[in-house]
Amino acid sequence: GQQLNQSPQSMFIQEGEDVSMNCTSSSIFNTWLWYKQEPGEGPVLLIALYKAGELTSNGRLTAQFGITRKDSFLNISASIPSDVGIYFCAGQLLGSGNTGKLIFGQGTTLQVKP
Amino acid sequence: EAQVTQNPRYLITVTGKKLTVTCSQNMNHEYMSWYRQDPGLGLRQIYYSMNVEVTDKGDVPEGYKVSRKEKRNFPLILESPSPNQTSLYFCASSFAGGDGYTFGSGTRLTVV
Repeated sequence: GQQLNQSPQSMFIQEGEDVSMNCTSSSIFNTWLWYKQEPGEGPVLLIALYKAGELTSNGRLTAQFGITRKDSFLNISASIPSDVGIYFCAGQLLGSGNTGKLIFGQGTTLQVKP
Repeated sequence: EAQVTQNPRYLITVTGKKLTVTCSQNMNHEYMSWYRQDPGLGLRQIYYSMNVEVTDKGDVPEGYKVSRKEKRNFPLILESPSPNQTSLYFCASSFAGGDGYTFGSGTRLTVV
């Protein structure tokens, strides 16, 4: 199947540091989504992006839909301990229309040292 | 409270014994989906449904069945479970195909 390459695989940072992670693919996407998963729970949607070049913020989180439509990044500014979790990118391929088919990256595990 | 409810949360079963994981949503969502999560592989889509009686295969449908007889329910059926189906399973729903899914809390399945 189609793949989303998410990096880095894991990060261990100091509280207060900024974080950046990204997702790339060889395919073109209509939609990019960023999710966070905490232990024992399902992923929760953080940010949704629908247009190439779109830059959207949600508090300390900022995400961008790449101009080529093949990538997206998520930045977290001034990290805090509750940012700990697994972050997933997800995308809907160009041409999949409104099918509900949504592909996920492998995830970035974030740990924050107080 | 708007939510996706899946049951059971934990299940240990033996190879070949048919099982069903139930999923229900109370948000009147058109779209529903099942994912499995395995370490290092992220979430992989098993099946998805765009409406009642409309389902399609995701990336890893082998060994699974689904049905969508009612809008709110989307059960996942393993006719003959095998150990390689040991995984964490998530049900999810969405109002529209391009929107993000709302996920349930997961079902951890172990097949021995």
